[in-house]
Amino acid sequence: NAGVTQTPKFQVLKTGQSMTLQCAQDMNHEYMSWYRQDPGMGLRLIHYSVGAGITDQGEVPNGYNVSRSTTEDFPLRLLSAAPSQTSVYFCASSYSNPSGSNEQFFGPGTRLTVL
Amino acid sequence: AQTVTQSQPEMSVQEAETVTLSCTYDTSENNYYLFWYKQPPSRQMILVIRQEAYKQQNATENRFSVNFQKAAKSFSLKISDSQLGDTAMYFCAFMKLFSYNNNDMRFGAGTRLTVKP
Repeated sequence: NAGVTQTPKFQVLKTGQSMTLQCAQDMNHEYMSWYRQDPGMGLRLIHYSVGAGITDQGEVPNGYNVSRSTTEDFPLRLLSAAPSQTSVYFCASSYSNPSGSNEQFFGPGTRLTVL
Repeated sequence: AQTVTQSQPEMSVQEAETVTLSCTYDTSENNYYLFWYKQPPSRQMILVIRQEAYKQQNATENRFSVNFQKAAKSFSLKISDSQLGDTAMYFCAFMKLFSYNNNDMRFGAGTRLTVKP
């Protein structure tokens, strides 16, 4: 199992450009999420999905779009990049486990800089 | 809304000694999970330990243990026999039990721990 993979690892954009951060997992997990990590603020939830075809907003969704056409993939789209979106982005996945705790598995992160 | 507070931005400890990282949280929920994650310089998020709120017994994983005080809404992490490899950012996190979104974790701002030789 590769676990949760993210591409690219690093990206530099100019203000106004668009791009897609890729996330894939091979563990057949139902739940997937995108977080951003900023200095002094921990991780904050951007968007999440509870299954293929179902997505919803988290704490900080503005400026981002997501879709979930398959169980494996959960791309994050920046429509028009802004310097405020400079951050490290993490994708995570987990499964529903009624008898135990719900550990999230994180990808390695993407460091995005918007100039 | 749930909030998680880590009041120690940075801490240091000598190798082989014990250190305790603090975490408090605010919630009106009765059933939830609490987690400590470690983030070394590689940036990878690694689960250290987890605690179910309905369990009174404090969780333990080898050198890592927690002091969970539900009434006080406190969840501290104790690292015994600190090793150089424990140097990392540590995040405390909260998640509701049986949440619609299984991935809706709320994180604290983190504590940067340095283990000195």
